Order: sequence, then C-alpha cells, then structure tokens
Amino acid sequence: QSALTQPPSASGSPGQSVTISCTGTSSDVGTYNFVSWYQQHPGKAPKLMIYEVTKRPSGVPDRFSGSKSGNTASLTVSGLQAEDEADYYCCSYAGSQNYVFGTGTKVTVL
Amino acid sequence: EVHLVESGGGLVQPGGSLRLSCVASGFSYSSYWMTWVRQAPGKGLEYMANINRDGSEKNYVDSVKGRFTISRDNAKNSLYLQMNTLRVEDTAVYYCVRYGPSQTTKTAYEYWGQGSLVTVSS
Repeated sequence: QSALTQPPSASGSPGQSVTISCTGTSSDVGTYNFVSWYQQHPGKAPKLMIYEVTKRPSGVPDRFSGSKSGNTASLTVSGLQAEDEADYYCCSYAGSQNYVFGTGTKVTVL
Repeated sequence: EVHLVESGGGLVQPGGSLRLSCVASGFSYSSYWMTWVRQAPGKGLEYMANINRDGSEKNYVDSVKGRFTISRDNAKNSLYLQMNTLRVEDTAVYYCVRYGPSQTTKTAYEYWGQGSLVTVSS
C-alpha cells in the first residue's frame, strides 16, 4: 500500500487560511469516508484533528475543517495562528484492516 | 483523562527481539480496539497492527507479518507488541494508540502515548 501524497510544505501569514491536499486512490480515499488528519509538533505525539473526512473531535477549534472530492481529501486551517505551525498527516482506511498515512506536510506560519 | 504509557524500548541488535508494553488508564480499556503506529526518525507515520476488544482478532501490515505479535491483557489494561527478527529499518518511535472517538470506531487514532524509541543497530 503506497503512502498518500501530500505537499511537503505549506505556509501562510497569521489570520490567513492554508489548505493541505491528500491524494490517494480509488482503493482508499476514493472509496472510504474514513479520512483523518493529525497535527504533530516537534518531539510530540500526533493529535487527532479531523476524522471521517469532516468531523472534529471535542476540543479541536472550528478553524480546522476537512473535505473530500474523489481521490483527494483536504484539510483547511482558517485564521492561522502561531501554534498551528506543525507537521500534518492524513490517513485513510484502505479496506481489510489496512490503513495508509500520508507523506506529511510541514505548515509554516510566516 | 486518558493516558497511554509505553515502555520497553531500547537498543537491540539486528535479528534480536524486544517487547513493548503500554498501560492504559482513564477509560474503559476493554471497550476499545487498540493499535500500534510507528515513526522512523525524521519520517512519517506507519500503521503496524491492531487488535479488537477481546484480543480475538489481530491484523498486521505486511512488512511485520510473521515477525511482530500484538496482544492485550484487559485485566491489566495493557497492550503489548512482541517484536522478533528485528531489522535496522524497524528503528522508530512506536506509539500505543486508542481508536476513537466512539467505541465502534476503527478508523481514527484518537489518543496517543508518548512513544517508545526502538533502535536496531549493531
């Protein structure tokens, strides 16, 4: 199972929005509405930000939103804040208890 | 508050074995599927294995099938990963992770431990 494709980096100024793409195939992202997104600060464990494409866990700001079209899922961070600077990973269920993560995107707040 | 605390990592030679443990607290442990996810130094995340609530169903990524064994002890609120025939490429931080948010969810990794570093080197 190949990793989902994410851009290596993305950036925006405070208050702006940034969108990260996550491209898979018809065997994972395109078939299942089980895409999740994780934020990871340096030296820390990942944190769940979005699950089932669009849902936010309790405590995650509504500045974070998810969507999907065809084989590509997206995470949008609106109203960028300094603490949003981190690595972001997508993940998709791929059937038969297989899970595939994305390659990761480093978000920089300018 | 949910806590997952891993232990058992360390330095091991290629071909060696190591057993990781994870103690869970703050939730009904026996009600959730659990999983191990690893991250090689400077690299991305990789799903390793998962296990159902009573330990009767176990699934593995192809790269560790036959070498790694996931297990759990619900009486001890504990999750384990027995790693045999270790390779240099198994070097990574291994995270104990609870699925969520609901007890039926097996598609989102809600709570993560702090990670345990496994280094395979001669």
